[in-house]
Amino acid sequence: KQEVTQIPAALSVPEGENLVLNCSFTDSAIYNLQWFRQDPGKGLTSLLLIQSSQREQTSGRLNASLDKSSGRSTLYIAASQPGDSATYLCAGDSNYQLIWGAGTKLIIKP
Amino acid sequence: DGGITQSPKYLFRKEGQNVTLSCEQNLNHDAMYWYRQDPGQGLRLIYYSQIVNDFQKGDIAEGYSVSREKKESFPLTVTSAQKNPTAFYLCASSRDSSGSSYEQYFGPGTRLTVT
Repeated sequence: KQEVTQIPAALSVPEGENLVLNCSFTDSAIYNLQWFRQDPGKGLTSLLLIQSSQREQTSGRLNASLDKSSGRSTLYIAASQPGDSATYLCAGDSNYQLIWGAGTKLIIKP
Repeated sequence: DGGITQSPKYLFRKEGQNVTLSCEQNLNHDAMYWYRQDPGQGLRLIYYSQIVNDFQKGDIAEGYSVSREKKESFPLTVTSAQKNPTAFYLCASSRDSSGSSYEQYFGPGTRLTVT
């Protein structure tokens, strides 16, 4: 059964730092990979979708990559800001269902 | 504005009562989903619907029921058979459930507390 692990579970860094969040799958047979942001008590906001034919996607200060051979994805956040503080979740499309990680809680200190 | 609405935001019920959570979308999406989120866990799929008048069980469907009579609406009923119903419930939709159209969009969620 496909499982998703997100490392680290929590991360606290000073404002301005570049950082990397990790997401790994037990089964590398992932079709699409999506990264989401969730603010406390809120729904999820889609950040980036890497489709099956792609290896990475960029949006502003965010860059997500997917290595299907290893079953790993990374979310790179450049020049972090306090407004980036949130929980970041990854989800992989496996057999037409999204399989979810538990998330990384990110705190950016001013 | 296009989007997904869920109501109410907070819901309190006594044990043994059924409760229905609302989810409406005006994105003209074919597929809709219900997830449950518990602290420290990934989202778990309860039910999903790929088209009107059709729906399938997800990983944790026991104690829940849904209907899909209209394209824009996908209500979830939490029945008294659900042993641990207190959780944050999220509704999502996507253009369809296959291939590159799979990007999901989420509502703001409903926090259900059963005492």
